[in-house]
Amino acid sequence: QVQLQESGPGLVKPSQTLSLTCSVSGGSINSDIYYWTWIRQPAGRGLEWIGRISSSGNTNYNPSLKSRVTMSVDTSKNQFSLNLNSVTAADTAVYYCARLRLVVGSGWFDPWGQGTLVTVSS
Amino acid sequence: QSVLTQPPSVSEAPRQRVTISCSGSSSNIGNNAVDWYQQLPGKAPKLLIYYDDLLPSGVSDRFSGSKSGTSASLAISGLQSEDEADYYCAAWDDSLHVYVFGTGTKVAVL
Repeated sequence: QVQLQESGPGLVKPSQTLSLTCSVSGGSINSDIYYWTWIRQPAGRGLEWIGRISSSGNTNYNPSLKSRVTMSVDTSKNQFSLNLNSVTAADTAVYYCARLRLVVGSGWFDPWGQGTLVTVSS
Repeated sequence: QSVLTQPPSVSEAPRQRVTISCSGSSSNIGNNAVDWYQQLPGKAPKLLIYYDDLLPSGVSDRFSGSKSGTSASLAISGLQSEDEADYYCAAWDDSLHVYVFGTGTKVAVL
């Protein structure tokens, strides 16, 4: 079955750019019915949707993060990526990648990666 | 950005039934389907219910979902110790243009 795995630095300095990659295995990232998403969770807190990207590169971002977020997809590597610039301590969280199945009036995240902790600190 | 409200915690004895509520508005639950996720301690969330009341393959039928108006519910019957986890509802919000998650509910088995 499809599996997702996040990778990237665990420590980022304030004002710099957080960069993560999600590798997809067990299936192709090329799909008309799936989007690929990022979700984060600060320690002890709830989940926040960051944005989504299709295999053709169409994106939708959370308006609260839109000015700082860029997502990209590399179909040749079966990967998609997240860049979040100008980070502060408030961006410290576990970052998850997940597959998003879209249907009219709904969408669900399945499966999820195991998550990667990113700490913003000097 | 938790616009979906859940009770912080619920608890019940083994083999009993618990229900978790998720309250939203016309721009999210009232107009779009609801999903539920289970997050075991230290683990990634896992899809539990999708499209209001559908069970993914492999999920126990002790879990069930329902929706009425701008509220949704998750029920767990035959409660087991392995059900101790955080549970989140989620839905697309037409006004905010984001997927919104609930505030989360911690389930404890007494």
